[in-house]
Amino acid sequence: AIQLTQSPSSLSASVGDRITITCRASQGIGTSLAWYQLKPGKAPKLLIYDASTLESGVPSGFSGSGSGTVFTLTISSLRPDDFATYYCQQFNTYPPITFGQGTRLEMK
Amino acid sequence: QVQLQESGPGLVEPSETLSLTCTVSDGSISDYYWSWIRQPAGKGLEWIGRIYTTGSTNYNPSLKSRLTMSVDTSKNQFSLNLSSVTAADTAIYYCARGARSSGWKYFDYWGQGSLVTVSS
Repeated sequence: AIQLTQSPSSLSASVGDRITITCRASQGIGTSLAWYQLKPGKAPKLLIYDASTLESGVPSGFSGSGSGTVFTLTISSLRPDDFATYYCQQFNTYPPITFGQGTRLEMK
Repeated sequence: QVQLQESGPGLVEPSETLSLTCTVSDGSISDYYWSWIRQPAGKGLEWIGRIYTTGSTNYNPSLKSRLTMSVDTSKNQFSLNLSSVTAADTAIYYCARGARSSGWKYFDYWGQGSLVTVSS
């Protein structure tokens, strides 16, 4: 199974900061990668798919890039609502579909 | 806006079968892939498996021997049965829809999750 490794595991930042989360795949996956936002007690939210396509309704401050084995999720200017845990997910080699271990974004 | 809601027992005894149902509302269950995903406390997400509305299934190889999924299109529901559970199966269980626009690669709608604890 393809392993996805996210870094950092946790991140402390302030409203207005620009942050970047990295997801590394154990082998090349083209652009078959998505990013999700998870908050306790809420339904997870798809943010980015195919590495760089913004899901409908997601604020433009979110962006994704990368291909092959290295991918990034960038939030250009943090809003209070953005503090959450973020996961990457791959579908290139399946089954199984796999996720990264998550990056917890906390308010400084 | 499609909504998904997980339901089932919050407590299951070791060696028993964990059973969950996901009800889809404000949208049809037909012609989509539907997945189960779980998150043990303090850990990341694990994809369990998926079912198409024809009943065709794909399971995570690590869980395949204990898994059964089914779908009831008349009730707009799909279900998960995981047998011979242990404490390692304690997790929040999510149901999710495969995004047709992406060729079913990603999950565009999710339930809020259901905590299942395996304990005697």
